Amino acid sequence: QVQLQESGPGLVKPSETLSLTCTVSGGSVRSGSYYWSWIRQPPGKGLEWIGYIYYSGSTYLNPSLKSRVTISVDTSRNQFSLKVSSVTAADTAVFYCARIRESYFDYWGQGILVTVSS
Amino acid sequence: QSALTQPPSASGSPGQSVTISCTGTSSDVGGYNYVSWYQQHPGKAPKLMIYEVNKRPSGVPDRFSGSKSGNTASLTVSGLQAEDEADYYCSSYAGDNNYVFGTGTKVTVL
Repeated sequence: QVQLQESGPGLVKPSETLSLTCTVSGGSVRSGSYYWSWIRQPPGKGLEWIGYIYYSGSTYLNPSLKSRVTISVDTSRNQFSLKVSSVTAADTAVFYCARIRESYFDYWGQGILVTVSS
Repeated sequence: QSALTQPPSASGSPGQSVTISCTGTSSDVGGYNYVSWYQQHPGKAPKLMIYEVNKRPSGVPDRFSGSKSGNTASLTVSGLQAEDEADYYCSSYAGDNNYVFGTGTKVTVL
């Protein structure tokens, strides 16, 4: 059974960079059959796709966030990571990592709340 | 890309059916048979319920079904049960390696 687990700071100051890591167990990020994605959900609001990465390092990002987002993969640790720069209060959200199989998100992490506040 | 449009709420009594719509454009919902649906209970991660418009993952009850016509996809929950009360989100591939989610629908079991 594939499991994903997000980790990182729960509090980030405005203008700083948010950094999260997703650790995958029960499966390999090296698998060529899947992509690895980040999604966020502001409190009380809907889901927003952030972007995804292939094991080769190819990344695909939401155009609305592209200028501030970096996604990377560490195949040796079976992890992938997210960085969002120049954060504001509007970036406060629960961040989920998820696996993409073909065209859908089939496995999700439990989510991690990141609050942007001084 | 803009979020797909869903009604904010839907409701039904136990045993009844409820249908949720998800309206996009010819660049996303209408252009690909890559619509999926997710159920989210409060404080929990979303769970895949339907993929590729009308396919159910193993373990999802057959009370859940999906369809699509033009730029609008739909999720129907038949034989509503108390545990079906949750938020539901649609998602679609939107071309150029992009994805988009719907605005979400809160389903209430009366």
